[in-house]
Formats: sequence, C-alpha cells, structure tokens
Amino acid sequence: ETGVTQTPRHLVMGMTNKKSLKCEQHLGHNAMYWYKQSAKKPLELMFVYSLEERVENNSVPSRFSPECPNSSHLFLHLHTLQPEDSALYLCASSQDNGNYNEQFFGPGTRLTVL
Amino acid sequence: DAKTTQPNSMESNEEEPVHLPCNHSTISGTDYIHWYRQLPSQGPEYVIHGLTSNVNNRMASLAIAEDRKSSTLILHRATLRDAAVYYCILRDVETSYDKVIFGPGTSLSVIP
Repeated sequence: ETGVTQTPRHLVMGMTNKKSLKCEQHLGHNAMYWYKQSAKKPLELMFVYSLEERVENNSVPSRFSPECPNSSHLFLHLHTLQPEDSALYLCASSQDNGNYNEQFFGPGTRLTVL
Repeated sequence: DAKTTQPNSMESNEEEPVHLPCNHSTISGTDYIHWYRQLPSQGPEYVIHGLTSNVNNRMASLAIAEDRKSSTLILHRATLRDAAVYYCILRDVETSYDKVIFGPGTSLSVIP
C-alpha cells in the first residue's frame, strides 16, 4: 500500500460512453499527477496539479478532462475515447515544497476501449 | 529535459549483486538523478536519488560518476522480488513543480 488508491482497477468502455477514473491520496500531499502507460511505451505525463491548480497539460486530447476538487482527490473524466486510448492510467502524488520529494503511485486503472 | 540511456534488459542470478547502468551525458548542474522501479502489475515506486555523492538506502546504492555523466544503481543481493523495470530519471529542481519524465527503463530478470 502506497497511500494512493485508484478506482476502478479495471474498466471496459465503448467509444460513446462517459466514465470517470478516481484517485485518492491519504498522505497529506499537495500535488497530484495523471500518467498514461501504453503497452511497450514509457509512462507519459498527462496532467499535473499543484495546490489544486493545473500546472501542466502535456497536449492531451480534450476527450480527457481532469478535475482536482481538493488536495486529496483527483479525477480523470473520459468521453468519446478511441481504442488507442486503451492503457494503464496511473495516479501519483507528492509533496511539492520547492525541494525534491518522491512521487507515490497508485496501482493504476487498466482501461480498455472497445 | 535532459535524457537518459539505459540497456533495454538485464539478467541476474538470485542473491548476486546487480549493477544497472545509466548514461546521462547532457546532465546539467541542477539535475538530480533518480531511480524508480515498476514491479509487474503495479505502479512505479521510488528507489533512490542523488546529486553528486554516492548514496545508500535500505533498497539500493547509487554510484555517481565524478563527471556526473553516468550513474549505476546497485542492488547488493538480487531477489526474485527485484524483477522489475528500473527507470533512471533526471529531475531539474529549478522547475516550478515536481516533474518526472520516464524513459523505457531496464527490464531486470532475476534467475532463481
């Protein structure tokens, strides 16, 4: 247990569905992240929230919409996805205080888009 | 972002030491060297980090070359549980927020 939980762990959805991924951290951190890990590819940073404000958006398509209502929760809203969006979606958190602090990752949500 | 180069895969015998190399010839003075690993079906986990001096913790040791253009993660006695993908990452502390860019990493197999 890393202190970062993700739900659901597995999700299968059609291209016309709308779903949301949830991440919760119990570590008192103030920064949270979404990463995408496709098969045989490195992890790709998607979004970064620091103090509940989005500070990074790595040219992610608008069909992915993040939400950070407070420092403990992070959502990734999904709509009209494509089959190539099938991947492992990982959430992480860290304490962003100007010094280096390790990131703690959740177990991920395995997403399959049909 | 400065890049790192690692071998795609390595093998080790159980209970033997493992030396995982990483090249980072374009490293800047403010880049810290970090290692994470990802066990099968799990998210990545932090292993160790350093700037100039060698570092030890309960999981591993990090040896940094004097010119900082390369580093080596050392697992002193490999166990089956150490089979994972190991990522060597450079982190620029001058960015305004924590940012971790992962490469393909080294896939370590441990042979019983």
